[in-house]
Amino acid sequence: GAVVSQHPSRVICKSGTSVKIECRSLDFQATTMFWYRQFPKQSLMLMATSNEGSKATYEQGVEKDKFLINHASLTLSTLTVTSAHPEDSSFYICSASWGNNEKLFFGSGTQLSVL
Amino acid sequence: ELKVEQNPLFLSMQEGKNYTIYCNYSTTSDRLYWYRQDPGKSLESLFVLLSNGAVKQEGRLMASLDTKARLSTLHITAAVHDLSATYFCAVDPNTNAGKSTFGDGTTLTVKP
Repeated sequence: GAVVSQHPSRVICKSGTSVKIECRSLDFQATTMFWYRQFPKQSLMLMATSNEGSKATYEQGVEKDKFLINHASLTLSTLTVTSAHPEDSSFYICSASWGNNEKLFFGSGTQLSVL
Repeated sequence: ELKVEQNPLFLSMQEGKNYTIYCNYSTTSDRLYWYRQDPGKSLESLFVLLSNGAVKQEGRLMASLDTKARLSTLHITAAVHDLSATYFCAVDPNTNAGKSTFGDGTTLTVKP
């Protein structure tokens, strides 16, 4: 089956630094990838839709200057949390759809802790 | 605005018992997904339900979709400890799985 790789799995950083998270589709081309945030014991919240070769589409309430998304190729999307603060600490998950957008494959997630 | 409600949110059951998780949603949709999440892990796709009356089964789990009632069920048969996890339903009104609205999740604990 399709595989989505996400890296790193865990990152701890100081407040004010920027963190980049990578999401790769390993055996298929993903023109569209999605980024979610999940707080402890809560559901997933869609942050943005990442489109290869064009600007990402952000959901309402998500700061585009804070969460920079780049989808430079058909197999790679990156999310950069800029000037991270403790309230940005969360579990970030990417996904890519395959086959007429009917099924999602999720990355393994990145646990971000900002001190 | 699409709302997706799951119940129960927490479920503790004994091994060998049967139970059903319910997923109600507020607007018309023919596409619904069930996912499993283990603690500290990402999501695993369980079922994709694409039409009214769709029923899919995998092992001890069976999912169904009634689009007229805007209801999906995830039935657990003869639960085993390995099924302990959080289960999410997600509804896709726009034929784009990635933009689905997720329910709050049902945390299932199966006790010996």
